[in-house]
Amino acid sequence: DGGITQSPKYLFRKEGQNVTLSCEQNLNHDAMYWYRQDPGQGLRLIYYSQIVNDFQKGDIAEGYSVSREKKESFPLTVTSAQKNPTAFYLCASSIDWTGAFYGYTFGSGTRLTVV
Amino acid sequence: AQTVTQSQPEMSVQEAETVTLSCTYDTSESNYYLFWYKQPPSRQMILVIRQEAYKQQNATENRFSVNFQKAAKSFSLKISDSQLGDTAMYFCAFMKQGGNKLVFGAGTILRVKS
Repeated sequence: DGGITQSPKYLFRKEGQNVTLSCEQNLNHDAMYWYRQDPGQGLRLIYYSQIVNDFQKGDIAEGYSVSREKKESFPLTVTSAQKNPTAFYLCASSIDWTGAFYGYTFGSGTRLTVV
Repeated sequence: AQTVTQSQPEMSVQEAETVTLSCTYDTSESNYYLFWYKQPPSRQMILVIRQEAYKQQNATENRFSVNFQKAAKSFSLKISDSQLGDTAMYFCAFMKQGGNKLVFGAGTILRVKS
């Protein structure tokens, strides 16, 4: 079955560490997105990529980095510069560049906790 | 910048009854798209329904329908014959035409009671 796989499901980070969240899709979708979910704030866009080797900052990109070396993969690195990284992270993809016509397909998320 | 407001943090409904979730948005755009997503306890986001702003007819998907009031910038979701499996967080989302991101509201937790 096609879909988006996020790993790990739970991740614990020590202060000062960088961690990388994996996102892989086998849907042959062009665009991929990373959202952060916090209680009471909905989802906020971190980064998005509409094509391989290109990505754009979203609304809350500070302290995060991404790469898009393959169409199927869009990993997110949470750096030590991100002061409040504890959150639920969702990866999504869309068949077209914008997601306007068919919406997004989401992964099952990664819960990141700073310990 | 567009904003999406869901004024009901939590709601509950009895099984088999009808419930309406509210959503308002703020935009100066004339063409855009609106969505409702469901996030059950598994936390997997699922697209429930989609509406194009230039279409006057309200979208319907089985037990789910919307009341789209463009002038009022309102986009409510009606769930008929509520089922226990409808228990979830529901998010309203906006995308402008030619845009490249979904803007989400804060969500409404819906609990269906037996």
